[in-house]
Formats: sequence, structure tokens, C-alpha cells
Amino acid sequence: DAGVIQSPRHEVTEMGQEVTLRCKPISGHNSLFWYRQTMMRGLELLIYFNNNVPIDDSGMPEDRFSAKMPNASFSTLKIQPSEPRDSAVYFCASSTAGGNTEAFFGQGTRLTVV
Amino acid sequence: AQSVTQLDSQVPVFEEAPVELRCNYSSSVSVYLFWYVQYPNQGLQLLLKYLSGSTLVKGINGFEAEFNKSQTSFHLRKPSVHISDTAEYFCAVHSGGSNYKLTFGKGTLLTVNP
Repeated sequence: DAGVIQSPRHEVTEMGQEVTLRCKPISGHNSLFWYRQTMMRGLELLIYFNNNVPIDDSGMPEDRFSAKMPNASFSTLKIQPSEPRDSAVYFCASSTAGGNTEAFFGQGTRLTVV
Repeated sequence: AQSVTQLDSQVPVFEEAPVELRCNYSSSVSVYLFWYVQYPNQGLQLLLKYLSGSTLVKGINGFEAEFNKSQTSFHLRKPSVHISDTAEYFCAVHSGGSNYKLTFGKGTLLTVNP
């Protein structure tokens, strides 16, 4: 398995534009997580899905952020409109059900909003 | 609610010296505990985890951690570090049950100098 695949690896966009980050979890994993990493706030959980259903989106900072998981092999995180303070590295991770299992992380998308 | 405190944001050491990275957690229920490592421009990968049983857990790359319930700690140790251990290390806690949320500490940057 190729692991968790995120695209793009780097994204530079202008303030006000829509940004879509993509994630393909490991096949057979039924939990998917979106994290944001910044110097100031560290690693923050934005939202997680179990069996394609959003379970906890309390970490989503604003209504500008939305996430979907239309099927077990694909998820998106969308920011519309983007702002400079959204600049961060966004990680997707997946795991099998249960809190005692390892979460496997993608390599992240580095987003820069100018 | 669960939380994780990593007491040191940066730990510089010389090569072949021992190192301890400290982690304290708070949770009202039994927990699962994890240490992840992040190399530059990479995602996080699991070093080791404590689920139950022996309080001393051994992981990859010669790292080990000890679960101390009375002190609510899960410190990471290595008896002799290498230059290649330079990375950021994250402690994480999960409280089990049907909530799959992993809560991460803010990370400790370990820098190994020659």
C-alpha cells in the first residue's frame, strides 16, 4: 500500500480564492482525520470521519472550512474564501476503527495564502 | 476532556548522550498513549504506544517510554542518540471508547549535535 496520499503537496493561492485539499486514505481504514499544523498552535484536529460519516467537526475553525468524504477512498478539505491566516500544513491521517490503533499520516499539504 | 502537556519545546543534546522527552497527560478515564516522530517535511509516524500491560514500552529506533499512572506521565527515553534522531516528537492520548479522537501535545524539537 502506498500509504495515505495527499495532494497537492504545496499550494500557493491568493486571499479570497477557494482551496481544495485532497486525501486518499489507506485501503481498509475506516477512520479519517484532518489536522492543521502551525508554529503557534501546533497540531490541531479539525475534523474526523468514521465510515465516511463526520463524527466530530468541533475543530473546524470557521464556516469557511468544510470537509467531505463521499466514499471510503477519498476526502476533501475545502477553504472558501481563503485568508492568509489559513497558511499552515494540513495533514490527513487514517486508521482502522478503535482508539488503540495507529493513525497513519500523509506527507501533508503546505498551504500558503498570500 | 483529555489533554497532553509536553514540558519542553526544545531539547538540544550531543550525539551518543541519553535523552528524555517529557509528556504528561490528563484524562478522566483510562487512556491509550502514543509517541509520534516527525522528520523535516514529513508526516508523523508512530514510534511506540501504550495500550495496557507492561508499563515499559519499547518502540522503533531504540526508543522506549514508561507509563506512570500515578504521575500521569509517559516520558520517552533513548540511552544514546544519533544525529539522525533530530526531529520533532509528539506525545498523544486517546481515551478509548467510540470516540476516536487523538489529542496531541505541542511537540518537542530534539536536536542532536555532533
